[in-house]
Amino acid sequence: AQSVTQLDSQVPVFEEAPVELRCNYSSSVSVYLFWYVQYPNQGLQLLLKYLSGSTLVKGINGFEAEFNKSQTSFHLRKPSVHISDTAEYFCAVTKSNAGNMLTFGGGTRLMVKP
Amino acid sequence: DADVTQTPRNRITKTGKRIMLECSQTKGHDRMYWYRQDPGLGLRLIYYSFDVKDINKGEISDGYSVSRQAQAKFSLSLESAIPNQTALYFCATSDRDRDEQFFGPGTRLTVL
Repeated sequence: AQSVTQLDSQVPVFEEAPVELRCNYSSSVSVYLFWYVQYPNQGLQLLLKYLSGSTLVKGINGFEAEFNKSQTSFHLRKPSVHISDTAEYFCAVTKSNAGNMLTFGGGTRLMVKP
Repeated sequence: DADVTQTPRNRITKTGKRIMLECSQTKGHDRMYWYRQDPGLGLRLIYYSFDVKDINKGEISDGYSVSRQAQAKFSLSLESAIPNQTALYFCATSDRDRDEQFFGPGTRLTVL
């Protein structure tokens, strides 16, 4: 079975600073990787996904993530955050032949301060 | 227009009561899922359905049951609610050939 670890439960950062949210996974087979964002009182929406190909994936709202197979990581980055990026971020993984069965990490709360 | 809707959005109930959470989708997807979200634990899969005649248990199905009334509708029931079922519940859908899941707005359930 696969598992996902988000190493930071909360990340405070000042507006316009860069940010990295860390995600590590474990799986014995090839995987697909996702980052979802949850704004207050809303459901989750997809930020970006890695299925295959280039290991650097660009998503919405200026976010990007890099798949590192040797380190089993899929860290999320943004060069300059805005107050509106304050939200909870979830990393998720599914086995490439698992029919969309997602396993989620515990979430990282990004708090952007003015 | 919301593609995945959940009703109710908030519910407070008492221990031992039966409660049903409903999910409807207009995306035309075959696959539907129920998750619960608890602080620090992320989302955990309760049940999933790949079509109307296919229902499967997820990671934490004990104490829950589901019904897939149609391609567009997937209901979650708590037969006898207990306080540790207090959580945020999400329904999600996905297409057979895609990997992205689309989430509803969630139902906040409190069991007293």
